[in-house]
Amino acid sequence: GAVVSQHPSWVICKSGTSVKIECRSLDFQATTMFWYRQFPKQSLMLMATSNEGSKATYEQGVEKDKFLINHASLTLSTLTVTSAHPEDSSFYICSVLPDRTLYNSPLHFGNGTRLTVT
Amino acid sequence: AQSVAQPEDQVNVAEGNPLTVKCTYSVSGNPYLFWYVQYPNRGLQFLLKYITGDNLVKGSYGFEAEFNKSQTSFHLKKPSALVSDSALYFCAVREGNTDKLIFGTGTRLQVFP
Repeated sequence: GAVVSQHPSWVICKSGTSVKIECRSLDFQATTMFWYRQFPKQSLMLMATSNEGSKATYEQGVEKDKFLINHASLTLSTLTVTSAHPEDSSFYICSVLPDRTLYNSPLHFGNGTRLTVT
Repeated sequence: AQSVAQPEDQVNVAEGNPLTVKCTYSVSGNPYLFWYVQYPNRGLQFLLKYITGDNLVKGSYGFEAEFNKSQTSFHLKKPSALVSDSALYFCAVREGNTDKLIFGTGTRLQVFP
C-alpha cells in the first residue's frame, strides 16, 4: 500500500489565489521530506527540503515567499503556492526519506498534484 | 556537484525483446544509484538501487541494472520487455552522505506489441 499520501491529486485555481498541497507519511515518521516540481517532458526539479520543526531549505532559484513549506509534524508537510500564476502550473511531487541516516534508502513518493492556474 | 545523464529521450522496443535504458553519473565520492519508474500522472516508484557489492542488481518487475565504475554508468535492463513496461524511467544519484537525490532527465520507454 501507499506509504506517502499526497492531496489533492489535481487542482484548478484562478490567478492570484493560493493553493495548499499536503504530503503525509503514512507508515513512518519523517523528519525530512522533499518537494519536487516536474515540467512536461522534463525531469524532476528539487524545489526544497522540508525539515520537521525548522525552516525549509530551498534550492537556488526557488522563491521561498512564493512556495511556502510547513513541516509542523513528523508525518505532514505542506506546500502552499501563493498568489498563483499560470506559469506555476505544473506537477508537484513530494517524497519522504524514511531514515535520514540511511543514505542508501530510496525515497518514497506521493502520487503528485497537477496544478493548473487559469 | 553530482549529476546524472540519460542520453536517450525515448527508447522503443518490441515486446519480448531485451531492453536497455542508459544512465551515466558524475559524483566526487561514492555513488548511491537508483532507478525509478513513473506512470502517467503518478508519482515515482522505486525499481532498484546500487549501494555496494555486486555490480549487477536485480529489482522489481524483472528489471536489473549493471553498475560500471570505470564507465560511470548504471544502465537499466530487462531480458524480455512487456507492453506494460511502457512508462517514464528516471535514473538518480545520491552522493556520499547527502540527503538530496538528483534525477536524470528521464527516458520514455515505449514497448510495442
